[in-house]
Amino acid sequence: AQKVTQAQTEISVVEKEDVTLDCVYETRDTTYYLFWYKQPPSGELVFLIRRNSFDEQNEISGRYSWNFQKSTSSFNFTITASQVVDSAVYFCALSGVSGNTPLVFGKGTRLSVIA
Amino acid sequence: SAVISQKPSRDICQRGTSLTIQCQVDSQVTMMFWYRQQPGQSLTLIATANQGSEATYESGFVIDKFPISRPNLTFSTLTVSNMSPEDSSIYLCSVGGQVRHTDTQYFGPGTRLTVL
Repeated sequence: AQKVTQAQTEISVVEKEDVTLDCVYETRDTTYYLFWYKQPPSGELVFLIRRNSFDEQNEISGRYSWNFQKSTSSFNFTITASQVVDSAVYFCALSGVSGNTPLVFGKGTRLSVIA
Repeated sequence: SAVISQKPSRDICQRGTSLTIQCQVDSQVTMMFWYRQQPGQSLTLIATANQGSEATYESGFVIDKFPISRPNLTFSTLTVSNMSPEDSSIYLCSVGGQVRHTDTQYFGPGTRLTVL
């Protein structure tokens, strides 16, 4: 069975601080996808990144970076120089490599960035 | 990315009534998924809808309570039947399967349902 654990329920930081959101996953599949989604207060789910299990290169996109470590089954997300607009619930998710398989979500981490 | 719309965006309903939620995508997709997000919780898969066949429901969800239609490759509906306050949630549809030649799942904006 697949499982995603986001141990941090809520995090609060002051603007401009860096923050890392943790994600640990479990799967018996040898190939899989990992995702991060952002859910702002408006409720929509915004896709941030998809990572294939055979690609362990870290990725950076602006202030966002992701650290994928297969050895520890972790896919952590770092926001550098956080901003108030980063305040949201962030979900880590896991799926099979076919687009026809649904996502298994972690419980989410609520990030509050205080001005 | 795919453009997915849902109707209605929100609704307030009375106990015992039913609500049908529509999901429209701007390209043909193999699979559509329906998720429920109860207040303050994560997303839980309700069912998978494949065009031309019966939807596949997850444990804890049944067709009588959440009937789903999938008449073509761009459209699906989810009905929440005989509603109770416990059904108050955000309902989201997502699409997968070769959307814009990717395997990424994109989500509709969600339907925020409140049952009184």
